[in-house]
Amino acid sequence: DIQMTQSPSSLSASVGDRVTITCRASQSISSNLNWYQQKPGKAPKVLIYVASSLQSGVPSRFSGSGSGTDFTLTISSLQPEDFATYYCQQSDSTPRTFGQGTKVEVK
Amino acid sequence: QVQLQESGPGLVKPSETLSLTCTVSGGSISHYYWSWIRQFPGKGLEWIGYIYYSGSTNYNPSLESRVTMSVDTSKNQFSLKLSSVTAADTAVYYCARDPAVAPIYYFDYWGQGTVVTVSS
Repeated sequence: DIQMTQSPSSLSASVGDRVTITCRASQSISSNLNWYQQKPGKAPKVLIYVASSLQSGVPSRFSGSGSGTDFTLTISSLQPEDFATYYCQQSDSTPRTFGQGTKVEVK
Repeated sequence: QVQLQESGPGLVKPSETLSLTCTVSGGSISHYYWSWIRQFPGKGLEWIGYIYYSGSTNYNPSLESRVTMSVDTSKNQFSLKLSSVTAADTAVYYCARDPAVAPIYYFDYWGQGTVVTVSS
């Protein structure tokens, strides 16, 4: 199985901050990396697919980059509704695997 | 707007079989991959497997011996059976759609999730 490791596990930030979350795969996954946002009691929601493609309806302050083993999710200017947990997920091979999550909290 | 809805018992006894159904509305079940994903109380996410509308399946090897998925295109539903459950199978179970336009794979629609507790 491909192991996905996110860092940090949690971070504290303020509205307006630029936030960066990283995800590392245990082997090369090309650009087959997706990012999800999850709020308490809700299902995950896709933000970015194939590393850098913005899902329809997702604000442009979210962006993704990377290829191979190292990937980044960036929120350019954190908004109140962005406090949530973020997960990366590889779709290069089965079994599909997820990172452990990064919780973005209010500073 | 595509919607997915999980249904099934919220409480299952140890050693018994967990059975869930996902009903798809607002769109056809055809031409997509349909996955089951679970989230443990500690928040980790685990992909259980997927079924294609044609019936072909791909299961997580860690669960393969206990998992069976099926699809009913006439009802726009697909199902999960997980046998010989233990407390470690306690989780929120989600169904999700993968549009699977190769080589792009991701989960674009999710059900709201259903809590399944394994306890006697």
